[in-house]
Amino acid sequence: EVQLVESGGGLVQPGRSLKLSCAASGFTFSNYYMAWVRQAPTKGLEWVASITNSGGSTYYRDSVKGRFTISRDNAKSTLYLQMDSLRSEDTATYYCTRDYHYFDYWGQGVMVTVSS
Amino acid sequence: NIVMTQSPKSMSISVGDRVTMNCKASQNVYNNIAWYQQKPGQSPKLLIYYASNRYNGVPDRFTGSGYGTDFTLTINSVQAEDAAFYYCQRIYNSPTFGSGTKLEIK
Repeated sequence: EVQLVESGGGLVQPGRSLKLSCAASGFTFSNYYMAWVRQAPTKGLEWVASITNSGGSTYYRDSVKGRFTISRDNAKSTLYLQMDSLRSEDTATYYCTRDYHYFDYWGQGVMVTVSS
Repeated sequence: NIVMTQSPKSMSISVGDRVTMNCKASQNVYNNIAWYQQKPGQSPKLLIYYASNRYNGVPDRFTGSGYGTDFTLTINSVQAEDAAFYYCQRIYNSPTFGSGTKLEIK
């Protein structure tokens, strides 16, 4: 059974940093692209970033370029999202997803609140 | 950037009715569309990929159609458990979601 379990969320002040993790199991992690998708409270879904299976290429939405870094450790079957210079508009539930160009498996999500 | 526009924003339907919701792309996206269902408090679930392919385990009352810029998700004989938000997504470069359609059951 495929499982994606996020961790690392919480309350953080504007301008500070936070690192999310996603532990994957139930599939060969190193064979798949992975992605982060977020959802602000009462809002719709928004793709944040994707990473190729090797980690050699990464892709970001414009609003997080230069602030967020997606990475992975295939030996640990873990996906990461380093979030720097956080803004109030980054407040959202962040979902780890398996990226098959469409998103076929989703974690339960982790809440990130950016507020002073 | 391609914009995905969903309509209607919400609908209220009786059990057993047929539902049709729409997703329009601002440019030709060929068949590169997926549909998701999100129930309150839950993660989204993939329903349809490449416009018309039903994902594993999705009931056959869910049908996707369309090509180019206009796409449709149809639910035949709606069940109470189908109450949810439904999102379309442009697959591939800079994945983009529509703003969603809320389906309520009367």
